[in-house]
Amino acid sequence: DTGVSQNPRHKITKRGQNVTFRCDPISEHNRLYWYRQTLGQGPEFLTYFQNEAQLEKSRLLSDRFSAERPKGSFSTLEIQRTEQGDSAMYLCASSPGQTTNEKLFFGSGTQLSVL
Amino acid sequence: KQEVTQIPAALSVPEGENLVLNCSFTDSAIYNLQWFRQDPGKGLTSLLLIQSSQREQTSGRLNASLDKSSGRSTLYIAASQPGDSATYLCAGGGSEKLVFGKGTKLTVNP
Repeated sequence: DTGVSQNPRHKITKRGQNVTFRCDPISEHNRLYWYRQTLGQGPEFLTYFQNEAQLEKSRLLSDRFSAERPKGSFSTLEIQRTEQGDSAMYLCASSPGQTTNEKLFFGSGTQLSVL
Repeated sequence: KQEVTQIPAALSVPEGENLVLNCSFTDSAIYNLQWFRQDPGKGLTSLLLIQSSQREQTSGRLNASLDKSSGRSTLYIAASQPGDSATYLCAGGGSEKLVFGKGTKLTVNP
């Protein structure tokens, strides 16, 4: 168990560029979550997967955002045509996926800065 | 819509003091209430999870309580240490979709 891994740790991009983040969950964890956190705020839910199926998406996830989890293993979060308002810490978490009452295990996050 | 509030936003205490962090939520129909710790620039570490049918959970020097009827949870930290300095966040809902508070930034002074 090596924990949840997120790459890259930091990403600086110019407005209008596309960016992609990767998350590797704890092995054998069926659920994978994406949250976004801005300075001084708590994390906000974006979306989650049960295996490869994306089961819920927040309204925060505009059509510029897309998340995938092919084969139910790692996940990618892509932001197209980035805007300055997209600057935030993007957090990935995973859990076993057996019940509604499970602890979430978070990665260290990807800090995105859009210039 | 669930809303989670944490008071105070920041707290500074001397080492060794016992302290309580507060969390309130608007929708009592939660599956669980979770407490997390976040160090600067890092992800979240799960501390305690209280299921809706439970009243409290304990782990070492930490004790968390849940009162669904009043919409409140507290995190009690005994004999605080400088290493406890971090931001503490509570989150309510179900594990599929948690709603977080803004956190309480705790500083424990040696």
